[in-house]
Amino acid sequence: DAGVTQSPTHLIKTRGQQVTLRCSPKSGHDTVSWYQQALGQGPQFIFQYYEEEERQRGNFPDRFSGHQFPNYSSELNVNALLLGDSALYLCASSLQSLADFNEQFFGPGTRLTVL
Amino acid sequence: AQSVTQLGSHVSVSEGALVLLRCNYSSSVPPYLFWYVQYPNQGLQLLLKYTTGATLVKGINGFEAEFKKSETSFHLTKPSAHMSDAAEYFCAVSVFTGGGNKLTFGTGTQLKVEL
Repeated sequence: DAGVTQSPTHLIKTRGQQVTLRCSPKSGHDTVSWYQQALGQGPQFIFQYYEEEERQRGNFPDRFSGHQFPNYSSELNVNALLLGDSALYLCASSLQSLADFNEQFFGPGTRLTVL
Repeated sequence: AQSVTQLGSHVSVSEGALVLLRCNYSSSVPPYLFWYVQYPNQGLQLLLKYTTGATLVKGINGFEAEFKKSETSFHLTKPSAHMSDAAEYFCAVSVFTGGGNKLTFGTGTQLKVEL
């Protein structure tokens, strides 16, 4: 059973460019969350997608946008890159349940470097 | 809103010694609490979680944590450290809303295990 996969593993961009990161959830999962982990910091919640809609959003500017596809995979897009966007971007998947907490399983992350 | 404070960004123990990593949380509603471990250049792995029920929870690799509501704490312990425990540990808090359950992480504690 494949876990959460992310691509690419590493990415180098320059300021002002746009980037797209991809995530495939764990088999059977329908919800995808994205987190940004700056060097030496804990992960910070960007947003969560369920049923192809953004359900929750953290304190990130509109330059950060996302999408979820019918097969539950997801993309994170960042426009007008800033040096401060350099970080490890983590994707986590879970199975939606109204009855209990939905454990999130994390992928290995995409390391984005902005020069 | 929820928050987590991890006391001590770096902890060093001798192999075979007790591991104690401290976590205090803030939440206006009953929280769900988690400990994750992150090895270099990898994603997050769940060590253990508290949702409801027994306040002493056991996780993988011999780790356990106790939820103490009166102290708003969820400290992580392991009786005997092993070299393979060297990693970064994150405490996280969430609340069950029935629709969206973002994780709020602490800043992490780097555990070093010495011979």
